[in-house]
Amino acid sequence: GQQLNQSPQSMFIQEGEDVSMNCTSSSIFNTWLWYKQDPGEGPVLLIALYKAGELTSNGRLTAQFGITRKDSFLNISASIPSDVGIYFCAGQNGGGADGLTFGKGTHLIIQP
Amino acid sequence: DSGVTQTPKHLITATGQRVTLRCSPRSGDLSVYWYQQSLDQGLQFLIQYYNGEERAKGNILERFSAQQFPDLHSELNLSSLELGDSALYFCASSVEHRTGELFFGEGSRLTVL
Repeated sequence: GQQLNQSPQSMFIQEGEDVSMNCTSSSIFNTWLWYKQDPGEGPVLLIALYKAGELTSNGRLTAQFGITRKDSFLNISASIPSDVGIYFCAGQNGGGADGLTFGKGTHLIIQP
Repeated sequence: DSGVTQTPKHLITATGQRVTLRCSPRSGDLSVYWYQQSLDQGLQFLIQYYNGEERAKGNILERFSAQQFPDLHSELNLSSLELGDSALYFCASSVEHRTGELFFGEGSRLTVL
């Protein structure tokens, strides 16, 4: 099946730093999404991208849908303690017939 | 609070047993999805129902089955349990059946001993 390669696996950063993570695929997706999961919770949608080249922001978060449709990145500016968690990219094909394919996640740890 | 309710939150059982996980979607959502999250496999799509009918199937084992009832709640049945079935099982819901914009519940943690 399809696989998403998400990197880095983990990040140790200082509060206030900017964060960048990305996701690549060997196949094309028509939709890219970014979710965040806190401990003991289910994933929560952060940003959804529907067009190749699209750049979308949600507060301090910015995500882009790669022009090749095979990648996406997520940036977090001026990180704060509540940004700690696991960030997942997810891809979906047209029609949503196959459910979402998730990356393995980027574990963000913020050092005070 | 996503509005998606899953029960039970934790379940411990033995190999060979059968369990049922329950999910109530957000009010108004017609589509329900089941995902399995494990350390080695990550989040894996199992199955989707829309308004009572199966819409899409992912990596769901034959020992597992699901259904969505007329009141739109869903149940995931896991039978002949094996140690490797230990995982977090998430239910998610959405209004549309072709969207990736899902609302996840808090999950049911299954431990098979």
